[in-house]
Amino acid sequence: EAGVAQSPRYKIIEKRQSVAFWCNPISGHATLYWYQQILGQGPKLLIQFQNNGVVDDSQLPKDRFSAERLKGVDSTLKIQPAKLEDSAVYLCASSAVPFSYEQYFGPGTRLTVT
Amino acid sequence: GQQLNQSPQSMFIQEGEDVSMNCTSSSIFNTWLWYKQDPGEGPVLLIALYKAGELTSNGRLTAQFGITRKDSFLNISASIPSDVGIYFCAGPIQGAQKLVFGQGTRLTINP
Repeated sequence: EAGVAQSPRYKIIEKRQSVAFWCNPISGHATLYWYQQILGQGPKLLIQFQNNGVVDDSQLPKDRFSAERLKGVDSTLKIQPAKLEDSAVYLCASSAVPFSYEQYFGPGTRLTVT
Repeated sequence: GQQLNQSPQSMFIQEGEDVSMNCTSSSIFNTWLWYKQDPGEGPVLLIALYKAGELTSNGRLTAQFGITRKDSFLNISASIPSDVGIYFCAGPIQGAQKLVFGQGTRLTINP
């Protein structure tokens, strides 16, 4: 069974530029999560989808971050414009059961904003 | 808000030694989870605990759900090089279907 796929693995941009990350969850997993992991910290949930609907986006900085999961499968997370403090690893995870604690994480995208 | 504090923040041990780490909170948790993150990878769930006082093993790993429901412990016996990584505790935020993670314990093993 293929795991959660993410791309790109690394991205370096200048502040005020835009960037997008892509995630393809495990086949059949209805729930998809985007986490931000700042160096030296644990992951922090940004947004959670159930199929193509948003379940929780309370910690998503909506003035600059957006995410979509149009067909209920893969998802895109966008930052526009980026700030220096957005430098982090962005992790995507999926689960087969809604609100499951058994989440399967992708390898992440490491973003550096200069 | 609910926060999880892990200690120690880092550990440097010799191969073969046993390891103990813990996770504490000022709030009660009904579930405790332990994840491991290898460099350049996402976290992987190791053990899930659902009941106060519960002791659960996964190979050389043993985790306990504290009876106060405000702490959890993870032990690794006879450490080997592949145990290197960052260990995170996590738990569900009360009233919300999402997890909060601790800041991690980084384990380094000297062969």
